[in-house]
Amino acid sequence: DAGVIQSPRHEVTEMGQEVTLRCKPISGHDYLFWYRQTMMRGLELLIYFNNNVPIDDSGMPEDRFSAKMPNASFSTLKIQPSEPRDSAVYFCASRGFLAGFPETQYFGPGTRLLVL
Amino acid sequence: GENVEQHPSTLSVQEGDSAVIKCTYSDSASNYFPWYKQELGKGPQLIIDIRSNVGEKKDQRIAVTLNKTAKHFSLHITETQPEDSAVYFCAAPEGYSTLTFGKGTMLLVSP
Repeated sequence: DAGVIQSPRHEVTEMGQEVTLRCKPISGHDYLFWYRQTMMRGLELLIYFNNNVPIDDSGMPEDRFSAKMPNASFSTLKIQPSEPRDSAVYFCASRGFLAGFPETQYFGPGTRLLVL
Repeated sequence: GENVEQHPSTLSVQEGDSAVIKCTYSDSASNYFPWYKQELGKGPQLIIDIRSNVGEKKDQRIAVTLNKTAKHFSLHITETQPEDSAVYFCAAPEGYSTLTFGKGTMLLVSP
């Protein structure tokens, strides 16, 4: 199993530009999570999906952030327009009953975003 | 919601020593406690987890202990090696679907 796949691994953009982060969860997993990690705030849950449906987006910081999951194997997190304070590492994670424990989340390698 | 506190925030040990990281949780209904290791430039990786029906679980040099009465659980690493240097996160369930993570412990193992 390739694990959770994220792209791009690094993104440098200028303030005001649109940024799209991509995630492919582990095959068969029915939950997908988007996190943001910063030194100040640690690991924050932004939004999660169950069976492609957004369940809780209360962690999304602003309307500039949006996420979609058009099918079981793909999700996107979009920031439009981006701001320097959005600079962080964004992780995607998935879980499902293929795991040893159903609650176990498996993380991708992350996307390191720098907004200038 | 669940509240997870993790201590210490940083831990420095000499190679070969043991390291202990402690977490407390608030929801007495929580029944699953994973530990993640995050190396520099990588995503958190699950290293060990425990259910509330056992008090201890071991996997080679790492072990997790759970005290449900006191609502705390700990990660123990014995015979530490430089490659154990990383940030370690504990977590506890938030409802059925999500996890609440501790703030992390940066472990530095010096040769």
